[in-house]
Amino acid sequence: QVHLVESGGGMVQPGRSLRLSCTASGGDFSRHGMHWVRQAPGKGLEWVAIIWNDGTTKYYADSVQGRFSISRDNSKNTLFLQMNSLRAEDTAVYFCARHYFDGWYDSWGQGTLVTVSS
Amino acid sequence: EIVLTQSPGTLSLSPGERATLSCRASQSVSSGYLAWYQQKPGQAPRLLIYGVSIRATGIPDRFSGSGSGTDFTLTISRLEPEDFAVYYCQKYGSSPPNTFGPGTKLEIK
Repeated sequence: QVHLVESGGGMVQPGRSLRLSCTASGGDFSRHGMHWVRQAPGKGLEWVAIIWNDGTTKYYADSVQGRFSISRDNSKNTLFLQMNSLRAEDTAVYFCARHYFDGWYDSWGQGTLVTVSS
Repeated sequence: EIVLTQSPGTLSLSPGERATLSCRASQSVSSGYLAWYQQKPGQAPRLLIYGVSIRATGIPDRFSGSGSGTDFTLTISRLEPEDFAVYYCQKYGSSPPNTFGPGTKLEIK
């Protein structure tokens, strides 16, 4: 397993941007795909995005396509989520999670809260 | 896109009892790419089961997974106090989206 720590959450007004980070330690970060998963208050888990280990391929949930961008810096063991044009419905705890072998998530960060409100 | 449904939404049981949680997919889950996670309040989810029936490292053997195609089950043979939580099933693989079910809340009766 790997230790994952998210940061960058906070309160932001609708339409503004925010960048989340997820720093990994204790594992081979560059060998694994990484995901962002979010959880709105009192709700279930929603997959947001995936980036392959080498950063060449990315997929997004329809709900964030065109507004969010996932990226990574393997030299710094860090995953990013750039969130633009934020909406109230993007309010959630955002987790990063490691893609292991066929794609289950063996490690999760503790999450960072993003609140979109005027 | 595969849609997962879980039942029941809430399950009320006592410690020592057996829990059976269901996850149904709208179409067949290829290669058995089905996982289960446990989440307690204020915590990140924890991997319990992957590949339908393989327990993750450190997961007690009272947890077991079964099923195929579109119907899957998580069974907890004898509930311990620490097992009361929300459980999610997930379809995974290299072809997103990696859909989660809506969850089953397992509460103390």
